[in-house]
Amino acid sequence: GAVVSQHPSRVICKSGTSVKIECRSLDFQATTMFWYRQFPKQSLMLMATSNEGSKATYEQGVEKDKFLINHASLTLSTLTVTSAHPEDSSFYICSAAPLAGADTQYFGPGTRLTVL
Amino acid sequence: GQQLNQSPQSMFIQEGEDVSMNCTSSSIFNTWLWYKQDPGEGPVLLIALYKAGELTSNGRLTAQFGTTRKDSFLNISASIPSDVGIYFCAGQRFGGSQGNLIFGKGTKLSVKP
Repeated sequence: GAVVSQHPSRVICKSGTSVKIECRSLDFQATTMFWYRQFPKQSLMLMATSNEGSKATYEQGVEKDKFLINHASLTLSTLTVTSAHPEDSSFYICSAAPLAGADTQYFGPGTRLTVL
Repeated sequence: GQQLNQSPQSMFIQEGEDVSMNCTSSSIFNTWLWYKQDPGEGPVLLIALYKAGELTSNGRLTAQFGTTRKDSFLNISASIPSDVGIYFCAGQRFGGSQGNLIFGKGTKLSVKP
């Protein structure tokens, strides 16, 4: 149980294009999902907290107009990187927190984004 | 963003040896978590600690929540080659599923067969 999937697992795009990454909780419902970014040999840094049915909360320094987050249902959150630049190339990982009563977050397998 | 102080940064050990790594923080956490991440994969939860002083085991892994709530350690006994990977500690300040995690910088473990 508690499986989180991400799609795609890898994506290569041209500079200036937009890329959408999906995060799904497969066997549980999640009111809250988190989006992290991880650069090579670095730790995970929280980008934003995504709440179902409401606006995401972004961490300081993360541009909300560049990283669009939509959490339309209790099992799906999407991150869209708009007008991607090479410096946006990174490993993007989501996590999902089950509904009230659980203190644990479950992580997806990550999406490797490469912007040419 | 804020990060925890995790040490050591890397370890090279012989198969069969025990391993110990720890995390410290200047702030109190309500929950400490330990994750393992393989290359190109997301972190996988190893052990979750919810009470100060709590000592929890998961097979060959043992972790403790420091009594001051500002530190935690993870021990791996009798290491095997598949233990190779990066281990992250994470602290959660706020209770419940709403609290975001703050991660340590990771400990890279290499095991020689």
